[in-house]
Amino acid sequence: GAGVSQSPRYKVAKRGQDVALRCDPISGHVSLFWYQQALGQGPEFLTYFQNEAQLDKSGLPSDRFFAERPEGSVSTLKIQRTQQEDSAVYLCASSLVGSRSQPQHFGDGTRLSIL
Amino acid sequence: AQSVAQPEDQVNVAEGNPLTVKCTYSVSGNPYLFWYVQYPNRGLQFLLKYITGDNLVKGSYGFEAEFNKSQTSFHLKKPSALVSDSALYFCAVSLRGDYKLSFGAGTTVTVRA
Repeated sequence: GAGVSQSPRYKVAKRGQDVALRCDPISGHVSLFWYQQALGQGPEFLTYFQNEAQLDKSGLPSDRFFAERPEGSVSTLKIQRTQQEDSAVYLCASSLVGSRSQPQHFGDGTRLSIL
Repeated sequence: AQSVAQPEDQVNVAEGNPLTVKCTYSVSGNPYLFWYVQYPNRGLQFLLKYITGDNLVKGSYGFEAEFNKSQTSFHLKKPSALVSDSALYFCAVSLRGDYKLSFGAGTTVTVRA
């Protein structure tokens, strides 16, 4: 079946612009995660949804970052007034149920470059 | 504090030789441990997990990992490496009462023909 789909794959924006990154999880997956992966590093947690509820947003680095999942399926990560340090790969992952034993299935990510 | 450590940035092996990628963790309680692999410009692919039970876990593509509680380690192993195993490998832990994964910094594996 289809995996986690992220769009766009690549995004270039000028400093100060707003960007929106989309994640389409595997159908029926309850849990959805966003991670940020800086160059040469492991992914760092940003936020977690269970259905439409955002249960953990402790990893969002500033109030410029906002995520939503209004209907419990597709999610959007929005970054306002982008800064150069926001340049990274943003990974979305989903899992079937809200259990920490379940493996997370990752999309191919959106590579964001801020000029 | 780092929950997961991957002490080697790079591992180089010849095709056909055994491959080991090291991971140690530093969390209390019973950790859930995972290995993922990442190919260039791709997301992470799940290889295997340890939740409970048998300390030797078998996963995808011939990989296995051994959970060692006394050494707080979860090393990834493959008896005979392939050139196609060349990739970036991440160890991750799910902490008590938490759904998110905490990842190590990654180990780049190069298998030479």
